[in-house]
Amino acid sequence: GDSVTQMEGPVTLSEEAFLTINCTYTATGYPSLFWYVQYPGEGLQLLLKATKADDKGSNKGFEATYRKETTSFHLEKGSVQVSDSAVYFCALYNQGGKLIFGQGTELSVKP
Amino acid sequence: KAGVTQTPRYLIKTRGQQVTLSCSPISGHRSVSWYQQTPGQGLQFLFEYFSETQRNKGNFPGRFSGRQFSNSRSEMNVSTLELGDSALYLCASSLSQGKTQYFGPGTRLLVL
Repeated sequence: GDSVTQMEGPVTLSEEAFLTINCTYTATGYPSLFWYVQYPGEGLQLLLKATKADDKGSNKGFEATYRKETTSFHLEKGSVQVSDSAVYFCALYNQGGKLIFGQGTELSVKP
Repeated sequence: KAGVTQTPRYLIKTRGQQVTLSCSPISGHRSVSWYQQTPGQGLQFLFEYFSETQRNKGNFPGRFSGRQFSNSRSEMNVSTLELGDSALYLCASSLSQGKTQYFGPGTRLLVL
């Protein structure tokens, strides 16, 4: 079945470090891909999305490119801040109309 | 525009009881989906409603049910609660099926 695999956390970085969170997927066809972020005690917020191959989603300094060849959608940010500390979820919208999530990657940014 | 709202935010129940959770979607959104989030299983899809009809369902027992009203508001019901039903229940709305989903803050349910 369709699935999303994310790198395991927690990921701990110093402020202003470069961030990469890996995400790969298995799905039939060409699913839409998403990154959501969850801050402590809150629901999920949409961070960015891409709907077709080679699309780049970007928001708040975060970027991810839809790579069909490698079935990947890695999240990157050039310089993280303490306020970026949260859990990040990669997700895909499959042909069956379901949003399938990865297990989440916890990011902790130290000052 | 107001976001997705969920009530109540926190709930404590005992085993065997039933519970009803409510979700109000973003104005104009007609599709509502429900998810269960637990530390062990992560985020799991429960069901999706569009135009008052269940369009999609995840792999949960029949104790979990839902409905959608003509104003797109949705409720989720869990009967005969079990300890394992303790979780954060998230509701998401979208303009229609297959469109980007926007999540509410969730209802945290604790079953004792």
